[in-house]
Amino acid sequence: ETGVTQSPTHLIKTRGQQVTLRCSSQSGHNTVSWYQQALGQGPQFIFQYYREEENGRGNFPPRFSGLQFPNYSSELNVNALELDDSALYLCASSLGPDGYTFGSGTRLTVV
Amino acid sequence: RKEVEQDPGPFNVPEGATVAFNCTYSNSASQSFFWYRQDCRKEPKLLMSVYSSGNEDGRFTAQLNRASQYISLLIRDSKLSDSATYLCVSADRGSTLGRLYFGRGTQLTVWP
Repeated sequence: ETGVTQSPTHLIKTRGQQVTLRCSSQSGHNTVSWYQQALGQGPQFIFQYYREEENGRGNFPPRFSGLQFPNYSSELNVNALELDDSALYLCASSLGPDGYTFGSGTRLTVV
Repeated sequence: RKEVEQDPGPFNVPEGATVAFNCTYSNSASQSFFWYRQDCRKEPKLLMSVYSSGNEDGRFTAQLNRASQYISLLIRDSKLSDSATYLCVSADRGSTLGRLYFGRGTQLTVWP
């Protein structure tokens, strides 16, 4: 049973729309990372938050943005959705670099 | 060039077989290495960490060769329940506190 909860589990959006995905991290975990996993590929790092500050970003455009809240929960926002944004979005929380726990993900479909 | 490269397979093996997966990583500064298992439409789950000295967990053995930048996973006596995608992962511990770099995964199917 994962300690990381993501919502919603599935989502369908239209190209050009905006979406917010949510993650409740495991209790006490102060680091949260977001990954995008396209079909048939491994997860790709989007960004990481540590104590509410962005702490590293992958090769994703600025329309991908995020927040981490004082309770260490997190949001991923994507503006101006494109068809290629269709993917499984995974949130992972950690107390340190070796102990990542992934949520079950949000499957986003952009039509 | 991708940080982590692995053969996507698929590997189709009978129950009881021994199967080996390999991957390479490009960043010599990578600090930590892992194998994750991902079942269809589920999240990745940590299978085991990988150390230079090699480590074993039951039927699973992982090995790291830093000189060749090569990581391996050996599964002995395959079970039907081993069918999944196996993701090779490296992590750096620089300013990003352990960003994970995933390979694209190797698909394994174990048949009866």
